Amino acid sequence: GDSVIQMQGQVTLSENDFLFINCTYSTTGYPTLFWYVQYSGEGPQLLLQVTTANNKGSSRGFEATYDKGTTSFHLQKTSVQEIDSAVYYCAMSDTNAYKVIFGKGTHLHVLP
Amino acid sequence: GGIITQTPKFLIGQEGQKLTLKCQQNFNHDTMYWYRQDSGKGLRLIYYSITENDLQKGDLSEGYDASREKKSSFSLTVTSAQKNEMAVFLCASRDWGGGQDTQYFGPGTRLLVL
Repeated sequence: GDSVIQMQGQVTLSENDFLFINCTYSTTGYPTLFWYVQYSGEGPQLLLQVTTANNKGSSRGFEATYDKGTTSFHLQKTSVQEIDSAVYYCAMSDTNAYKVIFGKGTHLHVLP
Repeated sequence: GGIITQTPKFLIGQEGQKLTLKCQQNFNHDTMYWYRQDSGKGLRLIYYSITENDLQKGDLSEGYDASREKKSSFSLTVTSAQKNEMAVFLCASRDWGGGQDTQYFGPGTRLLVL
């Protein structure tokens, strides 16, 4: 069945470090891919999405490229700040377009 | 802009108790969702509703019932609370069509079963 894999449960960086969070997906179709961010005490909110293979999404300095060849949608940011500390979820909707499947989340902690 | 409201914010129950969580949205979205969030397990889909009076089971529906009597509201019932259960339940509505596809989440209901 469809699945989304985020292996990194926790990432700790210092301010201005480069961020890279792995996300791979498995599906037989043509998914829409998302990154959601959840700040402490709040619900998740959409960070970026890409609907077309080999396209890039970007928002607030974050980027992710939908790579159909490697079935990946990694999230990256050149220079993280302390305010970026949050949980980041990779997600996908596909075979059943109404269902959105989330990865397990990556808790990013940025040290000042 | 719109908002998703979840009540109650905190819910403490007893083992075996039936517990109901409520969600309201004023976006006028057709599709709504209930997810369970556990540490280290991400968001797992319990129920979703494509439109008013529609209910669809997600991957984690056993032990839960849902109700969507109005477009703006979506309720979730824990049919028999499990001892020491602790989780956050998140409600969302979805805006999609015309190139837009976004789920809007509420702040969550935190459940603790004694």
